[in-house]
Amino acid sequence: GAVVSQHPSWVICKSGTSVKIECRSLDFQATTMFWYRQFPKQSLMLMATSNEGSKATYEQGVEKDKFLINHASLTLSTLTVTSAHPEDSSFYICSARRRSYNEQFFGPGTRLTVL
Amino acid sequence: AQTVTQSQPEMSVQEAETVTLSCTYDTSESDYYLFWYKQPPSRQMILVIRQEAYKQQNATENRFSVNFQKAAKSFSLKISDSQLGDAAMYFCAYRSDNAGNNRKLIWGLGTSLAVNP
Repeated sequence: GAVVSQHPSWVICKSGTSVKIECRSLDFQATTMFWYRQFPKQSLMLMATSNEGSKATYEQGVEKDKFLINHASLTLSTLTVTSAHPEDSSFYICSARRRSYNEQFFGPGTRLTVL
Repeated sequence: AQTVTQSQPEMSVQEAETVTLSCTYDTSESDYYLFWYKQPPSRQMILVIRQEAYKQQNATENRFSVNFQKAAKSFSLKISDSQLGDAAMYFCAYRSDNAGNNRKLIWGLGTSLAVNP
């Protein structure tokens, strides 16, 4: 149990286009979902936290207009990178937490390459 | 604000030997959780072990155990009988029990563990 999927696993796009990444909790209801960004050989950087039905809470320094997060249901959250640029190229990871549980369950990540 | 420090960017161990990864943290809270996560080359984050701060007994999961020293704010991970599959990045993480911050994880910078055959 407690499986989190991400789609796509790898995406290449042209500069200026928008990309949507989906994060799904497959066998549980996720009251909270987290979006991270990770550069090679570095730690995870929390971008934002989203609760179902609420606006996402963004970490300081993260552009909310560039990284749009929607948590429309208890099993789905999406991250849209708008007007992507090469500097947005990174590995994006989502995680999900269910009510009363102490741990987060992580998706396999999405590698974004912006040309 | 809470911080997590992993002072060993890289470590190596011989197969079948034991290795200890260090982690220290800073907090003024009394109730919290500590985690060790493993990130293999596939980059899928895997929970290795979890420790509740209110528990004095050190957590153990098969070959993985922790040395939790609450007063010293230290949380080291010991891997016994190391296997080639243990090679990965290991991250130490802290989570407050305060619901006000969505219980987000505070991460260390990670330790890259190599296992030599």
